Amino acid sequence: GAVVSQHPSRVICKSGTSVKIECRSLDFQATTMFWYRQFPKQSLMLMATSNEGSKATYEQGVEKDKFLINHASLTLSTLTVTSAHPEDSSFYICSARKAGSSYEQYFGPGTRLTVT
Amino acid sequence: LAKTTQPISMDSYEGQEVNITCSHNNIATNDYITWYQQFPSQGPRFIIQGYKTKVTNEVASLFIPADRKSSTLSLPRVSLSDTAVYYCLVGVFLGVGNNAGNMLTFGGGTRLMVKP
Repeated sequence: GAVVSQHPSRVICKSGTSVKIECRSLDFQATTMFWYRQFPKQSLMLMATSNEGSKATYEQGVEKDKFLINHASLTLSTLTVTSAHPEDSSFYICSARKAGSSYEQYFGPGTRLTVT
Repeated sequence: LAKTTQPISMDSYEGQEVNITCSHNNIATNDYITWYQQFPSQGPRFIIQGYKTKVTNEVASLFIPADRKSSTLSLPRVSLSDTAVYYCLVGVFLGVGNNAGNMLTFGGGTRLMVKP
């Protein structure tokens, strides 16, 4: 149980285009999902917290107009990287907090974004 | 916030027991300690979680002293496939929409290299 999926697993796009990444909790409901970014050989950095039915909360330094987050249901959150640039190339990972739990967080497999 | 400190890297050999210690001097009363494993280009994988004393599951043990200011992840008889980065997270989700919980803050992790 507690499986989180991401789609796509890797994507290559041209500079200036937008890319949408989906995060799904497959066998549990997630009232809260989290988006992280990880650059090579670095740790995960929290970008934003996505709450079902409400606006996302962004970490300091993360542009909310560039990284659009939608959490339309208890099992799906999407991250859209708008007007992507090469510096947005990174590994994007989502995680989901199990509804009713204060401690359980499950991670997706990640999405490798390359902007050319 | 309970900051965590781990060794940057460790080397071991197949069949040995590996102990990775994490310091978290400012741990709060409600904080749990969770360890994740991450392979390159994959999302973190939950290993074990505990609050105090000792916790054991099929893959690892977690030792937490009485003062809870540190914790030690113990991996019995490691194999080459255990080569990965191991993260110690301390904290608790403080409620829906609140991302201040330190559980979401990844430290640098420990890069474990298992040699034949």
